[in-house]
Amino acid sequence: NAGVTQTPKFQVLKTGQSMTLQCAQDMNHEYMSWYRQDPGMGLRLIHYSVGAGITDQGEVPNGYNVSRSTTEDFPLRLLSAAPSQTSVYFCASSYSGLGNQPQHFGDGTRLSIL
Amino acid sequence: GDSVTQMEGPVTLSEEAFLTINCTYTATGYPSLFWYVQYPGEGLQLLLKATKADDKGSNKGFEATYRKETTSFHLEKGSVQVSDSAVYFCALRVTGNQFYFGTGTSLTVIP
Repeated sequence: NAGVTQTPKFQVLKTGQSMTLQCAQDMNHEYMSWYRQDPGMGLRLIHYSVGAGITDQGEVPNGYNVSRSTTEDFPLRLLSAAPSQTSVYFCASSYSGLGNQPQHFGDGTRLSIL
Repeated sequence: GDSVTQMEGPVTLSEEAFLTINCTYTATGYPSLFWYVQYPGEGLQLLLKATKADDKGSNKGFEATYRKETTSFHLEKGSVQVSDSAVYFCALRVTGNQFYFGTGTSLTVIP
């Protein structure tokens, strides 16, 4: 029972490098989202998607891109990494439009930008 | 707008003590309310939920009651254990897909 799978678990980048954080879910959830978690700031929404081909910006989208070509996958791209993007990134998914359903989270990607 | 305000931590308790973590919310509609727990190095796991007023969610000895009149969803446990040490997040979901999370409360239980 995989749920939400994130890869990699840890990554160190140099400033200016690009990379893609992978997220896959096997629960046929329409809604997927990316958050970053920083000390004292809780979870902040970066981007979200309500279905394949549909994405939208959250609270802190600058410096990140997303795409949703399939229901299962929702990768997050850092275009040109900056030290301010050092954080823990979580992918989450849920059924869309059912307000009583929770989000399911991956285990996170811990990203350091030097 | 919709939001969640959560009791700030950190909270340190002795084993077998009573736990309360306060959570209040602001919502324009009729939200569902959730408590998540995050153990060190892990993602958030759903702890319990309540979907309408006066519902009580419960799991692993934790309880929270959806109080519409006070717009609150406080988390309680009668006797905490060392294994309950974690960060706890209150969250709400309004009609549709948007979730709102509190900033998290860190709990440490000492033997």
